[in-house]
Amino acid sequence: AQSVAQPEDQVNVAEGNPLTVKCTYSVSGNPYLFWYVQYPNRGLQFLLKYITGDNLVKGSYGFEAEFNKSQTSFHLKKPSALVSDSALYFCAVRVYGNNRLAFGKGNQVVVIP
Amino acid sequence: KAGVTQTPRYLIKTRGQQVTLSCSPISGHRSVSWYQQTPGQGLQFLFEYFSETQRNKGNFPGRFSGRQFSNSRSEMNVSTLELGDSALYLCASMASGRSRTDTQYFGPGTRLTVL
Repeated sequence: AQSVAQPEDQVNVAEGNPLTVKCTYSVSGNPYLFWYVQYPNRGLQFLLKYITGDNLVKGSYGFEAEFNKSQTSFHLKKPSALVSDSALYFCAVRVYGNNRLAFGKGNQVVVIP
Repeated sequence: KAGVTQTPRYLIKTRGQQVTLSCSPISGHRSVSWYQQTPGQGLQFLFEYFSETQRNKGNFPGRFSGRQFSNSRSEMNVSTLELGDSALYLCASMASGRSRTDTQYFGPGTRLTVL
C-alpha cells in the first residue's frame, strides 16, 4: 500500500525567509510524487510533480521540490516566502498502473508579514 | 482550457436522503476520480472512472456510487446520507491515466452538509 507522511501540522515562516514543507512516502515500486496547494474554500491546485529524471523539480509560483530516494522524501521548498503562500499544502503519491492518489494529512503554512 | 467544474458548490441535506454530485472534466480528459475530504480523515479516494467504466475503487460503503457518461462527465451518488458524510467532495480529471506523466487536476469541490 502507498502512504505519505507530513510530520508537521503547521509551518510558520517570516515573509522573505525560505519555506520548507516536509514529506516522506512509502510505496512498493517507483513513486510518482505530487504537491498540491489548497486555499480556503477551494479545490486542490497542482504545484509540481516528480516522475523520473532530475531529482530537483521546479514548479509553479517559485516552488521546487527535491526527490531523495534513499530517504524516501520529497520536500517542498521556496527560497523566499510570500504572505500569499499561506495555505494548506498536500503531498501525494501514486504508482504506475494505479491512479489512486494517496495524500498526506496536509501542512498549514502561515507566512508572517 | 476551462478547468474542472463541479456542481453544485454547496449542498445541505438531511439524514436518510440521497444526493447526486456532478463533475465536468477538462476538455479531452477521459479519466475522472472522486475524493472525499474531511477534517478527521483527510483526503480519501472514492473511485475512478475511465471510458464509462469504474477502473478503481476505494474503501467506502456501497452507499457511495458513481458513473461516467460518454462525454466523460461524471456523477457520484450517496444514498441514505449519514452525518459523517458531511465533507468536501473533490473531482479530479486526468488525460487518460495510462501515462506515468499524467496529472490529476482538481475541481473546486462540492461542500455537502448533512443535518
